[in-house]
Amino acid sequence: GENVEQHPSTLSVQEGDSAVIKCTYSDSASNYFPWYKQELGKGPQLIIDIRSNVGEKKDQRIAVTLNKTAKHFSLHITETQPEDSAVYFCAASIGTGRRALTFGSGTRLQVQP
Amino acid sequence: NAGVTQTPKFQVLKTGQSMTLQCAQDMNHNSMYWYRQDPGMGLRLIYYSASEGTTDKGEVPNGYNVSRLNKREFSLRLESAAPSQTSVYFCASSEGTGNTGELFFGEGSRLTVL
Repeated sequence: GENVEQHPSTLSVQEGDSAVIKCTYSDSASNYFPWYKQELGKGPQLIIDIRSNVGEKKDQRIAVTLNKTAKHFSLHITETQPEDSAVYFCAASIGTGRRALTFGSGTRLQVQP
Repeated sequence: NAGVTQTPKFQVLKTGQSMTLQCAQDMNHNSMYWYRQDPGMGLRLIYYSASEGTTDKGEVPNGYNVSRLNKREFSLRLESAAPSQTSVYFCASSEGTGNTGELFFGEGSRLTVL
């Protein structure tokens, strides 16, 4: 089955700096790559996703890039703010059949004011 | 709209006891899921239901059973709890029956098995 590895496990940045979280996946058939943000005491929430027919997608301060040849994708957060502090999960899916998403192990991002 | 509602939020069990985690969604979604979250291991799928009346095993189904009672409700049962089942459990739902749509999560149920 699919295996998703996520790095780093923790990341501390100064407010205003950029943060980058990287994930690799094993199944070359995967074609859907979402990112979820989990705030303390809450369930994860989708913040951005990308499908395999595009290489990059942006939404304000958040962007995701995908390299299908190397089987990795990354989350980029620019101009970080304290409210960006949370745990971030990447995930991958082959998009067919009834198998659900496979999640990475998570990155705890701390933005220092 | 409440979204996805899970009960209870916290539960302490003794080894061998049984319990059911309840989940309900009010978004008329077709698919529902149960994940467990453990430190350093992300979210692992226990069971999912692509539509009312169907259920399928996920990555870690052993020790669990599920029931898709109707389109709104999806329950997770631990028949004989073990300390290895200490975890935070999340229910989620999605509109489609595939696996490329947004998942909507509940706030989680923290279970401790002594």
